[in-house]
Amino acid sequence: ETGVTQSPTHLIKTRGQQVTLRCSSQSGHNTVSWYQQALGQGPQFIFQYYREEENGRGNFPPRFSGLQFPNYSSELNVNALELDDSALYLCASSRIAGDSGEQFFGPGTRLTVL
Amino acid sequence: AQTVTQSQPEMSVQEAETVTLSCTYDTSESDYYLFWYKQPPSRQMILVIRQEAYKQQNATENRFSVNFQKAAKSFSLKISDSQLGDAAMYFCAYRSAFGNTGNQFYFGTGTSLTVIP
Repeated sequence: ETGVTQSPTHLIKTRGQQVTLRCSSQSGHNTVSWYQQALGQGPQFIFQYYREEENGRGNFPPRFSGLQFPNYSSELNVNALELDDSALYLCASSRIAGDSGEQFFGPGTRLTVL
Repeated sequence: AQTVTQSQPEMSVQEAETVTLSCTYDTSESDYYLFWYKQPPSRQMILVIRQEAYKQQNATENRFSVNFQKAAKSFSLKISDSQLGDAAMYFCAYRSAFGNTGNQFYFGTGTSLTVIP
């Protein structure tokens, strides 16, 4: 069983640029959630995708957007990067949206905005 | 919105001893799920234990157990016979059982656990 994978591992961007982060969900999972984890903080929910549609969103501006593909992999796009976007971005997959089970996390992408 | 509070930024324990990590949460909902996740320096979050709010019995997983006090909105994690591999950041998380809000996990700020040989 393949776990959740994310790419790239690290990324450095400058303010105002755009970035795309990628996530492959665990085998058999059709739901992907994205979290932002600032240094020293707990993860903050950005949004969730289920069946290629956004299925819940946290308190993040529209410049944070996403996609889910037919194979359930997902992308997180951030436009007009700001310094405060520097964080660890975590992807988590689960079997069914709203399922009571756990979310399985990937290793994260460390984004640094200069 | 739901909030999760971990009041212990750092904790330490001697190897083989027992440690308890605290977590409180605020919600007006009656049904929800609570989780403890472990995040070692490798960054990958791993589920330690899960509790359904409708179950009165406290969850246990080998050396890990919880003390779930629903009325007090408290959810502490007890680690028995601590091992060096238990050293990590521990996050308490809340998830609603209802509708679209059930898609979102709310995490605390974490407790960094050090295990002393």
